[in-house]
Amino acid sequence: NAGVTQTPKFQVLKTGQSMTLQCAQDMNHEYMSWYRQDPGMGLRLIHYSVGAGITDQGEVPNGYNVSRSTTEDFPLRLLSAAPSQTSVYFCASSYSAGPYEQYFGPGTRLTVT
Amino acid sequence: GENVEQHPSTLSVQEGDSAVIKCTYSDSASNYFPWYKQELGKRPQLIIDIRSNVGEKKDQRIAVTLNKTAKHFSLHITETQPEDSAVYFCAASMSRYGNNRLAFGKGNQVVVIP
Repeated sequence: NAGVTQTPKFQVLKTGQSMTLQCAQDMNHEYMSWYRQDPGMGLRLIHYSVGAGITDQGEVPNGYNVSRSTTEDFPLRLLSAAPSQTSVYFCASSYSAGPYEQYFGPGTRLTVT
Repeated sequence: GENVEQHPSTLSVQEGDSAVIKCTYSDSASNYFPWYKQELGKRPQLIIDIRSNVGEKKDQRIAVTLNKTAKHFSLHITETQPEDSAVYFCAASMSRYGNNRLAFGKGNQVVVIP
């Protein structure tokens, strides 16, 4: 199993551009989530999904959209990139909604200039 | 919302000594408390977790203790080795979301000095 995969690994955007960060998992996990990690801030939840067709907002959802059309994929869309969105983005999945281990992807380092 | 705090923010220990990191949380209904380790440039990975019906759990050199009354839990690493150098994140489940969400602390940098 590949586990949780993310593409791209690195990305540079100009202010105002849009893009999609890809996340996929091959473990048939129901629960998937997106976090951003900034220095000294820990991991902050952006959006999450408890199953295909169901998404909800986390702590810091503004400027981001998600959809979950399949169990495997959970893309994160930046609508109009801003320098404040410069961060490392991690996708994670777990077996189900509930207290289960979350498996993280390798991360995407995004810089917005 | 749930507030999770970690202390100290940075911890330096001599190789072979023990390291202890403490987390406090605010939601008295939280029932799941994982610890994640993140090496430089890598993804966070679960190293140990504990549920609220247990007071202590151990896995080789790593242990976690939970005090639900005081709302804190701690990570204990014994016989530290250079490969234990990393950032450690604690987290607590958020009961108002049905425990399918975690609130993370800001992380502790642990440095093991050879």
